[in-house]
Amino acid sequence: GENVEQHPSTLSVQEGDSAVIKCTYSDSASNYFPWYKQELGKGPQLIIDIRSNVGEKKDQRIAVTLNKTAKHFSLHITETQPEDSAVYFCAALLTGGGNKLTFGTGTQLKVEL
Amino acid sequence: NAGVTQTPKFQVLKTGQSMTLQCAQDMNHNSMYWYRQDPGMGLRLIYYSASEGTTDKGEVPNGYNVSRLNKREFSLRLESAAPSQTSVYFCASKDRERGNTGELFFGEGSRLTVL
Repeated sequence: GENVEQHPSTLSVQEGDSAVIKCTYSDSASNYFPWYKQELGKGPQLIIDIRSNVGEKKDQRIAVTLNKTAKHFSLHITETQPEDSAVYFCAALLTGGGNKLTFGTGTQLKVEL
Repeated sequence: NAGVTQTPKFQVLKTGQSMTLQCAQDMNHNSMYWYRQDPGMGLRLIYYSASEGTTDKGEVPNGYNVSRLNKREFSLRLESAAPSQTSVYFCASKDRERGNTGELFFGEGSRLTVL
């Protein structure tokens, strides 16, 4: 099966700075990589995703990059704001794996004023 | 539009008791999932239902059973609760028409404590 590792587990940045969260996956057959944001007391919510035929995708202040050769992908948040404070999860979908996402262990991002 | 609704939001059980977590979605999604979230462990799949009438085991199915009651509802049952099942449980659904990829929509979670 797939294994996803996520780093760091906690990240503290000053408002306006950039934040980067990194994930690696084990199975080269994985082809879909979403990122979810979980605010306190809420369920996770999709913020951006990338498919294996794309190297980078941007949506306003967030971007995701994918390196298939190295089997890692990263979330980049620029100009961080207090409302970006949350837990972020990366995930990987293994084709033929029964339509099941494997999640990373999460990163607690804190944006300090 | 409620999305994914889970009940109850909080529950305390004693070891050996049974209970059922209920989940309903109003988005006409085909696929539904149950995850548990534990500190440092991320989200782990317990069971899923790719379509009405089918259920399959996920990564951590032991100690749980599920029922896909109809297209809207997917319940998770703990027959004999154990302290190791203390966790936050999330139900999620996905539109199968988007293929294997696509957005998972999560409920707000059910916090279960087993004493």
